[in-house]
Amino acid sequence: DAKTTQPNSMESNEEEPVHLPCNHSTISGTDYIHWYRQLPSQGPEYVIHGLTSNVNNRMASLAIAEDRKSSTLILHRATLRDAAVYYCILRDFNFGNEKLTFGTGTRLTIIP
Amino acid sequence: GAVVSQHPSRVICKSGTSVKIECRSLDFQATTMFWYRQFPKKSLMLMATSNEGSKATYEQGVEKDKFLINHASLTLSTLTVTSAHPEDSSFYICSARDGDGGTDTQYFGPGTRLTVL
Repeated sequence: DAKTTQPNSMESNEEEPVHLPCNHSTISGTDYIHWYRQLPSQGPEYVIHGLTSNVNNRMASLAIAEDRKSSTLILHRATLRDAAVYYCILRDFNFGNEKLTFGTGTRLTIIP
Repeated sequence: GAVVSQHPSRVICKSGTSVKIECRSLDFQATTMFWYRQFPKKSLMLMATSNEGSKATYEQGVEKDKFLINHASLTLSTLTVTSAHPEDSSFYICSARDGDGGTDTQYFGPGTRLTVL
């Protein structure tokens, strides 16, 4: 799996939007961009994924750069429950490449 | 979303004993499940890929005879830590793949915290 780069930590105020960046300059044409988050003492939770177009779901939005070398996870209105480690992962959609390789992620702290 | 459960959530055992951890996909069938290990303040490390009805594929450096994986049905995979030692104390997490292609999603269990005394 291609490598991603994320800031180690970020802080945001409660009820404000949060933009979590991810760089993936070596992304290939068959890599999907996946985001997971892990709350303390829990297993990771799927957030969102996309290929080329921006994606929205009930949890977040994913903005993908036109050259696909970077992406941003957007939490529109952060709550204290959003405090977690957020992982940006590239995954090849060719069948047989199911593994998720977790990096160090971004630890998001929400300030009340 | 799909739900994956793990049992037990927490286990404490004596050194030298074996511990079995169960991973179940509750509302979907999973031909492929994954086992991860996470040490404090560290990221998840994939241990093995478990395919229903066949042998598991272990990542480099993971002892297959120590970490026995069985995936006997489409909804259940088990990880047995044999002859556990204090260095095996960790947070073990499983995931199950919902789908057959590369665009599918992996859903994770809540994890099992193993403490070996």
